[in-house]
Amino acid sequence: ETGVTQTPRHLVMGMTNKKSLKCEQHLGHNAMYWYKQSAKKPLELMFVYSLEERVENNSVPSRFSPECPNSSHLFLHLHTLQPEDSALYLCASSQAPYGLEQFFGPGTRLTVL
Amino acid sequence: RKEVEQDPGPFNVPEGATVAFNCTYSNSASQSFFWYRQDCRKEPKLLMSVYSSGNEDGRFTAQLNRASQYISLLIRDSKLSDSATYLCVVNIGEGQNFVFGPGTRLSVLP
Repeated sequence: ETGVTQTPRHLVMGMTNKKSLKCEQHLGHNAMYWYKQSAKKPLELMFVYSLEERVENNSVPSRFSPECPNSSHLFLHLHTLQPEDSALYLCASSQAPYGLEQFFGPGTRLTVL
Repeated sequence: RKEVEQDPGPFNVPEGATVAFNCTYSNSASQSFFWYRQDCRKEPKLLMSVYSSGNEDGRFTAQLNRASQYISLLIRDSKLSDSATYLCVVNIGEGQNFVFGPGTRLSVLP
């Protein structure tokens, strides 16, 4: 595996379900990110893990919960989502702390019914 | 004022045309700058970093004007395969705070 991988690629879930998105990077980076991309909106940064420190966007609802067990893996745990949470969820990685370019995974397209 | 703004687009140009995109950013502490392209229903991919002295990669030229807080991307001899959305990305100088612009859609027509 190379680059940044994400699973699943597509997910359909009900509002009462609990699911998790997984991201893995094979680039030796030490910072990982979750972004949300809704139709016709810019990418919104949700969470950052950098040098083992979590930086959180305060506007992210608590129904989204990140987990970063090590520098190569990142999870996004989902529970009691709303239909407006349907979007493309993108994971990215980069080398901290230098602000170098990010590399993105293919994304998980989430639909909440 | 939004942190990163881009030409609203879309840009529809014929093959072979030269097209320029503009991007402005509001935070003067911004440290690094990038152009990404995103194809429909795909992830963003790095096109080029933008350096203070300006840089060129084949048909693509990026410029940075720190005084005016302005970044540009010039595409010469455009190809059909250049059709995509172009995203301006700014790192706001605190390590890992990347802010994306809304993107400018380009369609290159035969």
